[in-house]
Amino acid sequence: GQQVMQIPQYQHVQEGEDFTTYCNSSTTLSNIQWYKQRPGGHPVFLIQLVKSGEVKKQKRLTFQFGEAKKNSSLHITATQTTDVGTYFCAGLIQGAQKLVFGQGTRLTINP
Amino acid sequence: GAVVSQHPSRVICKSGTSVKIECRSLDFQATTMFWYRQFPKKSLMLMATSNEGSKATYEQGVEKDKFLINHASLTLSTLTVTSAHPEDSSFYICIGVGEQETQYFGPGTRLLVL
Repeated sequence: GQQVMQIPQYQHVQEGEDFTTYCNSSTTLSNIQWYKQRPGGHPVFLIQLVKSGEVKKQKRLTFQFGEAKKNSSLHITATQTTDVGTYFCAGLIQGAQKLVFGQGTRLTINP
Repeated sequence: GAVVSQHPSRVICKSGTSVKIECRSLDFQATTMFWYRQFPKKSLMLMATSNEGSKATYEQGVEKDKFLINHASLTLSTLTVTSAHPEDSSFYICIGVGEQETQYFGPGTRLLVL
């Protein structure tokens, strides 16, 4: 079936280090979205990427959408303790119009 | 921006009872609403796709007779968990699809079945 694979599952870093999570889809995506979920909370929308090769930045966060629209990454520069949480990608499957979530990457930070 | 409300936010019920969860798009029309379930420390799993005025499309492994979905209007979709059991305890989230396929999350409903 349609899948969006996300790695790594867990990442522990020292505060100030960089962090990257990757998503790969088995099928072409219409768009990909990124969400952040804090413990006990619901996923909060961060950004949506639509165009092939698109790169968007939000302060220390950089989001990329691959040329083939099958993969994406989220990179955080110089992590802060407020970045703690689980980051999910979600791809809108082209044609099927279903939003499929990756497994999430849980980020923990040592202050 | 567009908002999706979900009610109730938390519910505790006894095993065997039914629970209805409402999802409303407050300032846009959602022809499509997705229903997801999230178990602790797991990802969101799509349960069904609900289209206004038609039957919901259920994902493989999701019992349509147990999880009844109704999308009677462009602003309201409901999910009823019938004869709930402890294994149905989960976080249920609806997502309304607005213009240009933009998705809007509901805040979720935590269901605990005793």
